[in-house]
Amino acid sequence: GAGVSQSPRYKVAKRGQDVALRCDPISGHVSLFWYQQALGQGPEFLTYFQNEAQLDKSGLPSDRFFAERPEGSVSTLKIQRTQQEDSAVYLCASSLVLSTDTQYFGPGTRLTVL
Amino acid sequence: EDQVTQSPEALRLQEGESSSLNCSYTVSGLRGLFWYRQDPGKGPEFLFTLYSAGEEKEKERLKATLTKKESFLHITAPKPEDSATYLCAVGALTGGGNKLTFGTGTQLKVEL
Repeated sequence: GAGVSQSPRYKVAKRGQDVALRCDPISGHVSLFWYQQALGQGPEFLTYFQNEAQLDKSGLPSDRFFAERPEGSVSTLKIQRTQQEDSAVYLCASSLVLSTDTQYFGPGTRLTVL
Repeated sequence: EDQVTQSPEALRLQEGESSSLNCSYTVSGLRGLFWYRQDPGKGPEFLFTLYSAGEEKEKERLKATLTKKESFLHITAPKPEDSATYLCAVGALTGGGNKLTFGTGTQLKVEL
């Protein structure tokens, strides 16, 4: 079936604006992850869901970052009052059942904060 | 704290010139070591998972191996389409094993 999809693919925000990034995981995948990738770096973990439960949010850099997955499928990463340092690619990944299963990544959303 | 170091940062090969990429890691109990390929403007694409020292996996021109401290991605007779950034990541047994810690990647360029 279809892979992980993310929207929008590109987002430009003015400093101080709020943004919402969407992730549609692979159908039937229970676990969902968000990562942040700065230019020239590897992805860094932000948060993890199992179904609708957010089990780990240790990587969220500040309380301006908020993620939800209310029905255990689609997830939204929200960033409030964006700052220039938030500019990065935000990647979503999903895995079948256990958090230990292979994670499959979406194409990412490139966020640029001016 | 889990750490992953990849070398070299960048590698330029001629078509057909075999080589290896290195991934050194420290982790508090290895759940799995993962190799991904990332093309510009795209998300990481899964290649391999290795679970224990001595394990090897192959896919076309790629072969991944694992020891207790490092993993190698061997590329045999590469082609230009193998050009990409190769990312290594570890998952730890602690903390529910739910997050991957990535290295910064090796940017591979294969020229004709």
